[in-house]
Amino acid sequence: DVKVTQSSRYLVKRTGEKVFLECVQDMDHENMFWYRQDPGLGLRLIYFSYDVKMKEKGDIPEGYSVSREKKERFSLILESASTNQTSMYLCASSWDRADTEAFFGQGTRLTVV
Amino acid sequence: KNQVEQSPQSLIILEGKNCTLQCNYTVSPFSNLRWYKQDTGRGPVSLTIMTFSENTKSNGRYTATLDADTKQSSLHITASQLSDSASYICVVYLTGTASKLTFGTGTRLQVTL
Repeated sequence: DVKVTQSSRYLVKRTGEKVFLECVQDMDHENMFWYRQDPGLGLRLIYFSYDVKMKEKGDIPEGYSVSREKKERFSLILESASTNQTSMYLCASSWDRADTEAFFGQGTRLTVV
Repeated sequence: KNQVEQSPQSLIILEGKNCTLQCNYTVSPFSNLRWYKQDTGRGPVSLTIMTFSENTKSNGRYTATLDADTKQSSLHITASQLSDSASYICVVYLTGTASKLTFGTGTRLQVTL
């Protein structure tokens, strides 16, 4: 079974903290993505990576950074967490082909207080 | 303005009934369209993927249709079950965008007894 694993299901952090969200996939996929999902807005792309050490900004990269040191691991970093970053964060991975499925992790519900 | 619009926003049906969810998109150039099912608190799971040359694709009780001329897709669920209660998300894959997906905001389906 294919698997995308996010390190935490639920996370509570304080304003100003540096937050790390980890994602690991076991399918040797080239592409990895970080999304946030908010009610009424759908999934919005924060960053994606199509290769090790490569990264591209998505639609809403402000306040976030990413790291991909190994092919299977893609980390999302909130440099200084703010309350408007309270959200569901979803990691996904896929082959670098248009006709293939994107596999999602189970999500991390982050609350910033 | 979201380039992938779904309707209705939410829907309640009785177990055993059929239903149809709609997706209209304006994004182009279009490569393929996908339907995902997302259970509450979980990541999305792929139901179907259709290229622009396909006009129907089935996965068990789920049948997706695509009209590339009118830029409309629908997801038909037959003989609904309680386990079909979830959000259904329409996703468009754009050609030449380095694997970027454009998501609709989803339809929340509730199946009741």
